[in-house]
Amino acid sequence: DGGITQSPKYLFRKEGQNVTLSCEQNLNHDAMYWYRQDPGQGLRLIYYSQIVNDFQKGDIAEGYSVSREKKESFPLTVTSAQKNPTAFYLCASRFLKNSPLHFGNGTRLTVT
Amino acid sequence: AQTVTQSQPEMSVQEAETVTLSCTYDTSENNYYLFWYKQPPSRQMILVIRQEAYKQQNATENRFSVNFQKAAKSFSLKISDSQLGDTAMYFCAFMSWDYGQNFVFGPGTRLSVLP
Repeated sequence: DGGITQSPKYLFRKEGQNVTLSCEQNLNHDAMYWYRQDPGQGLRLIYYSQIVNDFQKGDIAEGYSVSREKKESFPLTVTSAQKNPTAFYLCASRFLKNSPLHFGNGTRLTVT
Repeated sequence: AQTVTQSQPEMSVQEAETVTLSCTYDTSENNYYLFWYKQPPSRQMILVIRQEAYKQQNATENRFSVNFQKAAKSFSLKISDSQLGDTAMYFCAFMSWDYGQNFVFGPGTRLSVLP
C-alpha cells in the first residue's frame, strides 16, 4: 500500500543532542513538507521541498535542517539550536499542481 | 500573507445531530483551494473535503458538506448525522493556486460527539 512512513513514533532525547526524524513516501509525490504541531496551535511549516536537492525554509526553520537526496525521503534534523524542540512533528507530501497534502502518522519528540 | 481563522476552539454535539464548524480566511488572491482536515485522537491527519474557489457549487462528501461564501471569505463545514467517530480536531486550510502553493492552517476546532 502507498503511504507516508514516519519513524519513530516516539523519540526521546537529552537537551543539547541533535536528532533526526525520518520521513519516507512511496506515493511518487513531488513535494514533501515538515510541520510542527503544538497544543492549541495549528500546523506550522518548518521546511518544504518541491524537487530533489532543493528545499526552502518555512515559517519556523530556525534550529532545524533538512535534506532531499532522494524523491522518496525528506529527513528532518532537530539541532541543539532549536530552543523548544518538544512537539509533535508531521511529515506530508503531495503532487505539485493543486493536489491536497497527504500526511504521515507523526513523530512525538520529547527533549529533556 | 494569507491567514486562516477558526473562532470556535471547542464544540460539542449530540450523536445523530448536525453541527457546523466555522472558518474564515483572508487573502487578496482570486484563485485558491480550501480544505478541511480531521485529526482524531490517533493524530493522523485525514482530508475531509476540499473546495476550489472558482467553483460556486458547494462541495459535499457523504455526511460532510461546506458552505463556501467567497465574497465573505467564509468556509464552514457541516457534519450531518454526527457519529462518535467524528470526535476529532478539525483544521481549515488554505492553499494558494499560484504562489508557492503552500498551505496555511487555522488553529483548529476540537469537536466532541456525545453519546
